[in-house]
Amino acid sequence: AQSVTQPDIHITVSEGASLELRCNYSYGATPYLFWYVQSPGQGLQLLLKYFSGDTLVQGIKGFEAEFKRSQSSFNLRKPSVHWSDAAEYFCALIFGNEKLTFGTGTRLTIIP
Amino acid sequence: EPEVTQTPSHQVTQMGQEVILRCVPISNHLYFYWYRQILGQKVEFLVSFYNNEISEKSEIFDDQFSVERPDGSNFTLKIRSTKLEDSAMYFCASSLQGHTEAFFGQGTRLTVV
Repeated sequence: AQSVTQPDIHITVSEGASLELRCNYSYGATPYLFWYVQSPGQGLQLLLKYFSGDTLVQGIKGFEAEFKRSQSSFNLRKPSVHWSDAAEYFCALIFGNEKLTFGTGTRLTIIP
Repeated sequence: EPEVTQTPSHQVTQMGQEVILRCVPISNHLYFYWYRQILGQKVEFLVSFYNNEISEKSEIFDDQFSVERPDGSNFTLKIRSTKLEDSAMYFCASSLQGHTEAFFGQGTRLTVV
């Protein structure tokens, strides 16, 4: 069955530290891959996407993600987090049909 | 920059009442979606709409739900007889094509009391 998994429910990092949020999927082919961010009380903003080509994609706000086919993963990274990065992060995939399927989300807390 | 807009931002309704959530998708987009997020849970797909008809719906989208594109700009979600468990944040989204990124509105928080 098709699925998307975000294994970390909650991550806490210090401001200025690096960040990696994990996303794994189960699917027989390569899906279309996305990361969205939801700040408190806000909607969902697209950070970046991967359809094909270069497996390292750059997004907004200094985020990047790397698609690894062998690991069925699309992890989100940022070299140095800022307090404003505190939010909920959702990995989302399109498994060959139109709709986005979301992971359960990872809540990111930034400490001084 | 074009964006998806949703109204109202927050709606409180009594159980059993009908509610209509409104959305204005990005003007040149062709695919429209409703998602919901129950507090503390994941974002769940409800329905997709293309070419003036439902293209896909989830098991959540039962007979109490309906969608409509009454004119060239609005996209609405109607819940006929709300239940307590319908309380959630409802997100509208649109995309230019299928199989591509969707752009989301800010959401309507529905509270059923």
